[in-house]
Amino acid sequence: GQNIDQPTEMTATEGAIVQINCTYQTSGFNGLFWYQQHAGEAPTFLSYNVLDGLEEKGRFSSFLSRSKGYSYLLLKELQMKDSASYLCVSMDSNYQLIWGAGTKLIIKP
Amino acid sequence: GAVVSQHPSWVICKSGTSVKIECRSLDFQATTMFWYRQFPKQSLMLMATSNEGSKATYEQGVEKDKFLINHASLTLSTLTVTSAHPEDSSFYICSARDSTETSPLHFGNGTRLTVT
Repeated sequence: GQNIDQPTEMTATEGAIVQINCTYQTSGFNGLFWYQQHAGEAPTFLSYNVLDGLEEKGRFSSFLSRSKGYSYLLLKELQMKDSASYLCVSMDSNYQLIWGAGTKLIIKP
Repeated sequence: GAVVSQHPSWVICKSGTSVKIECRSLDFQATTMFWYRQFPKQSLMLMATSNEGSKATYEQGVEKDKFLINHASLTLSTLTVTSAHPEDSSFYICSARDSTETSPLHFGNGTRLTVT
């Protein structure tokens, strides 16, 4: 079956770095998205990876290894506003999206 | 960047009435729109996929007669919650994707529905 696994919750300190891991199993693969969702708000797009490697966008980077079915989202210089849920979303060969349950990231001062 | 407008932001209605939620892509044509429901502290749950000009595809367990979806144009999809009940109270979110399947989803701001 198709499945996304990511940790339920993580805690990190303001100013630090945190890595949120995601493993996926899909029927075929057409890329992986990361979204950020603050409580009570709609998700916002962070990144899209379809090739192996690291994509950097400011404080956020996303990594993909297709052979391992693995991705991570790296957040640097954490700020309190980064407290949110981070959703890992895989796209299968039919371009269907498989959503992870999200990782709740708690930032402490 | 691409913008998706969802309206209304919040709505309170009485049990038994119907509520319509609109989702518009403002600066791109959305051949596919998605509707989600999210209960407090729970994951985003896909309800249905809406393709312009054709019937929506509903996820298992979603009543198609209760949640009517119309995608009559490339920029507008609507979700109507018919005969709403208190258990339908939730956060409903739409998203849209332009003609490229691998383009990211753009989300509306969501509609908080409270049924009294």
